[in-house]
Amino acid sequence: ETGVTQTPRHLVMGMTNKKSLKCEQHLGHNAMYWYKQSAKKPLELMFVYNFKEQTENNSVPSRFSPECPNSSHLFLHLHTLQPEDSALYLCASSQGQPRTDTQYFGPGTRLTVL
Amino acid sequence: AQKVTQAQTEISVVEKEDVTLDCVYETRDTTYYLFWYKQPPSGELVFLIRRNSFDEQNEISGRYSWNFQKSTSSFNFTITASQVVDSAVYFCALSEGRETSGSRLTFGEGTQLTVNP
Repeated sequence: ETGVTQTPRHLVMGMTNKKSLKCEQHLGHNAMYWYKQSAKKPLELMFVYNFKEQTENNSVPSRFSPECPNSSHLFLHLHTLQPEDSALYLCASSQGQPRTDTQYFGPGTRLTVL
Repeated sequence: AQKVTQAQTEISVVEKEDVTLDCVYETRDTTYYLFWYKQPPSGELVFLIRRNSFDEQNEISGRYSWNFQKSTSSFNFTITASQVVDSAVYFCALSEGRETSGSRLTFGEGTQLTVNP
């Protein structure tokens, strides 16, 4: 596979469930990102990892828990979510250079919280 | 604070028309990068172009062209002879000036382009 892949593509979960989103990049990049895209709102950066270290957490509620075991994989663990967390969750990767990086995105996971 | 404004929320054109998507940005940085991404209905953001603040040359790639005007802080995107497959949401983005690892993008709210046959 090439580029950035995300699984699952669609997820429906109840508020008491625990689930995980997976992202994998095949581009040899060192930085990975989680974004949230809600209807009628701009993309919101959630987390940034560079060389497996978290370098940014944009005040994301603790019910979202990221994990980056290596530079190619990024997870987003979900628990006790709220209906307002329903959104498209996008993963991206980049080389890890400051400022100049181009981010490449995966297809996203469409999450619905009931 | 950085800001990107895409004033056109939705644009509808007929196939083969030319269409321009506007992007205006605000930044205090002297060095910055601007991007355009395309998001088709499938959801994936597809990278189209990156332009740095020192390069004001316009760029053309097939039916796509970009007009960077530093004096007006604009980075507009034109599709010539539009096609139905161009229907998508288009995002303009600006990189932040922090010297941290990886880029920090500020996105506009996007322009929904619909090309009708």
